[in-house]
Amino acid sequence: QVQLVESGGDLVKPGGSLRLSCAASGFTFSDYYMTWIRQAPGEGLEWLSVISSSSNIIYYADSAKGRFTISRDNAKNSLYLQMNSLRAEDTAVYYCASGKDYFNYWGQGTLVTVSS
Amino acid sequence: DIQMTQSPSSLSASVGDRVTITCQASEDISNYLNWYHQKPGKAPKLLIYDASNLETGVPSKFSGSGSGTHFTFTISSLQPEDIATYYCQQYDSLPFTFGGGTKVEIE
Repeated sequence: QVQLVESGGDLVKPGGSLRLSCAASGFTFSDYYMTWIRQAPGEGLEWLSVISSSSNIIYYADSAKGRFTISRDNAKNSLYLQMNSLRAEDTAVYYCASGKDYFNYWGQGTLVTVSS
Repeated sequence: DIQMTQSPSSLSASVGDRVTITCQASEDISNYLNWYHQKPGKAPKLLIYDASNLETGVPSKFSGSGSGTHFTFTISSLQPEDIATYYCQQYDSLPFTFGGGTKVEIE
């Protein structure tokens, strides 16, 4: 069955960096757009970034632009989010999800906490 | 950015009740609208895509309708397992945006 497993979440100081990973299995990863979505504690969902199947199309939300970088390795069935210059407001559960326009598979999420 | 306004923000209903949630877009998004629910501590789950299409494996008690700027999501007969927060999401234009959520509880 389809599985998406995020990892890499941690407690990090403001200004720090973190790299999130999402390991995919159970489907042909290289055929699908992939998306990162986050959810701050007790808050709603925020779309962050999308990457096409061949990595030639990438978009970011304004909140991620210039600080976050999405990438993927189809040989490893993996999606990544490099996050730099982290701020307190980046504290959230980060989900990877399959799809471009709608998201039919989600990981369980990984918690990023930005605090001194 | 397109703003998605859901109402109500929370509701309490009895088992067996028909429950309706609305989602208003700040501009015309055609039918580019999806619905998810999220149970406590879990990831969101896609229920409806393209405003009215039931995702594979999702019970037919869930339904969606609407186009343009006004959309509705309905649970025909509320059950205890439907306790969750429900979100709409537009994909007419980037950045894709979600509604603020509707928390559904049992009376």
